[in-house]
Amino acid sequence: KQEVTQIPAALSVPEGENLVLNCSFTDSAIYNLQWFRQDPGKGLTSLLLIQSSQREQTSGRLNASLDKSSGRSTLYIAASQPGDSATYLCAVESYNTDKLIFGTGTRLQVFP
Amino acid sequence: DAGVTQSPTHLIKTRGQHVTLRCSPISGHKSVSWYQQVLGQGPQFIFQYYEKEERGRGNFPDRFSARQFPNYSSELNVNALLLGDSALYLCASSDHTSGTSYEQYFGPGTRLTVT
Repeated sequence: KQEVTQIPAALSVPEGENLVLNCSFTDSAIYNLQWFRQDPGKGLTSLLLIQSSQREQTSGRLNASLDKSSGRSTLYIAASQPGDSATYLCAVESYNTDKLIFGTGTRLQVFP
Repeated sequence: DAGVTQSPTHLIKTRGQHVTLRCSPISGHKSVSWYQQVLGQGPQFIFQYYEKEERGRGNFPDRFSARQFPNYSSELNVNALLLGDSALYLCASSDHTSGTSYEQYFGPGTRLTVT
């Protein structure tokens, strides 16, 4: 059974810091891994999708890496801003399933 | 182009009642999935429909049911509501077919409160 864990559960940093969010999964047989952002009470916004054959994806100040063999992914946020404050969720889609398995998220606060 | 839309935005129901939630996928997307997100947790998979057929079901009781219409919109129905059904219900669409890998796009969700 696939399980996804995110560390840390919460993070508070000053504006301008570079930071890393961690995601681990127990079954390496995945199609892809997706990072999402969720603002309080809102839906999910897709940030990055990494296919199983890829090692990383980049979008602006965001960079996500994937190491399938070790069951880990990291989301790197460069030069953090107060507008980055949100909950960040990672999710994996395993082979032979048609569903995403989510972690419980990392709640990020960036203060001015 | 419009994203995934869901209605209603908020809903308050009493225990034992029935509720219907609606979702319209991104134009051209044939796959719709439903997720339940309880406060403080990650979303949990409920159903996936592709081309009007159920392709996956999560670990939810039979009180939960869904269907997909010819225009690919979808409804999630929950019967005999319990207090524990209070959650944010999220709909996601993708151009996904089983055996391939596509990005999923989520709607804003429906906040259901059961009293």
